[in-house]
Amino acid sequence: EDQVTQSPEALRLQEGESSSLNCSYTVSGLRGLFWYRQDPGKGPEFLFTLYSAGEEKEKERLKATLTKKESFLHITAPKPEDSATYLCAVQAEENTGNQFYFGTGTSLTVIP
Amino acid sequence: NAGVTQTPKFQVLKTGQSMTLQCAQDMNHNSMYWYRQDPGMGLRLIYYSASEGTTDKGEVPNGYNVSRLNKREFSLRLESAAPSQTSVYFCASSVLVSAGELFFGEGSRLTVL
Repeated sequence: EDQVTQSPEALRLQEGESSSLNCSYTVSGLRGLFWYRQDPGKGPEFLFTLYSAGEEKEKERLKATLTKKESFLHITAPKPEDSATYLCAVQAEENTGNQFYFGTGTSLTVIP
Repeated sequence: NAGVTQTPKFQVLKTGQSMTLQCAQDMNHNSMYWYRQDPGMGLRLIYYSASEGTTDKGEVPNGYNVSRLNKREFSLRLESAAPSQTSVYFCASSVLVSAGELFFGEGSRLTVL
């Protein structure tokens, strides 16, 4: 069964303390892997799309990487404003009626 | 640009009541979606509309109906609300159903007593 697993569920970092979030997936064919940021009481906000193993994307303090079985969201020298829940989603090649499979997210708290 | 707009933001219903969640997008996207988000679970697809005039069931369609009113608007209806439908509902849109990222609204928090 296709699924997406994110770890850890929650992460507390000191400001400036770099770390990585993990997203592992099992789909029969990957069309794309997406990272979103979700602030409390808000809808998910798109961050990155990755399409093939070895691909990397960067935005400010965030860098997303992709292998054949997982993706990492690296956070370098985080700031308190990076606190949010980060969601990973995969889009499978086959049309199964569920175009995107979402993980349950990693809740990141950055302490000043 | 407003992006994806959902109404209402909050609603409390009694079991058996009906209601409609409204969604509109101004990005000229072809595809629109309704998801629900529950604690400890990923976003789950209720229904989607690949293009104007079409709708299809997602992972958890039971108890819901949808209408793609035009290219901009996609509504979700609960005919007889149940406590299990207490959730946060998100509308989303994308350029095409087969590719590209989703753009989400701010969500509608529904409580069924």
